[in-house]
Amino acid sequence: EAGVTQFPSHSVIEKGQTVTLRCDPISGHDNLYWYRRVMGKEIKFLLHFVKESKQDESGMPNNRFLAERTGGTYSTLKVQPAELEDSGVYFCASSRVTGAKYEQYFGPGTRLTVT
Amino acid sequence: AQSVTQPDIHITVSEGASLELRCNYSYGATPYLFWYVQSPGQGLQLLLKYFSGDTLVQGIKGFEAEFKRSQSSFNLRKPSVHWSDAAEYFCAVGASGGYQKVTFGTGTKLQVIP
Repeated sequence: EAGVTQFPSHSVIEKGQTVTLRCDPISGHDNLYWYRRVMGKEIKFLLHFVKESKQDESGMPNNRFLAERTGGTYSTLKVQPAELEDSGVYFCASSRVTGAKYEQYFGPGTRLTVT
Repeated sequence: AQSVTQPDIHITVSEGASLELRCNYSYGATPYLFWYVQSPGQGLQLLLKYFSGDTLVQGIKGFEAEFKRSQSSFNLRKPSVHWSDAAEYFCAVGASGGYQKVTFGTGTKLQVIP
């Protein structure tokens, strides 16, 4: 069984540009989560999809961030326009069952650098 | 809201020595507690988890953790560290009531020296 995959592994963009990150969850996992870790700080929750619906987007920092999961399979996270403080590692995770009790499987992350 | 504190940013141990990584949480009820490990270039991997019952939980790779409600702690231990254990370790807490997101600590980087 393939794990969670994320693309790209690393992205370097200039302030003001747009970047789209992609996450492919484990097949059959209805729950998909996005997290972000900024410069040695804690890993922070961004949002949670159940299939194609946003269950919780309370962690999204502002309206420059847009997440989609059309068809309930892969998800994209777009940052437009990017700012310096958006730099960090963006993790995606998936789980089969909804709830904090259930293991989330993490991808390797996308390292975003905004210059 | 729940929170997690990992007071040690960086720890260095000798190979073969014992290890204890500290984790303190804040949550009003019985939490779900997790330890994850991230090796270079890899995603986070779950080491172990506590939901209820026996407060000493065993995980993969020879790790264990003990839930101490009175101290709001969930420290990770390993009796003998291997060079391959060098990684970053994250403690996390999830709420036991209803749906809640999982909250992570800031991580502890473990360096293992020969």
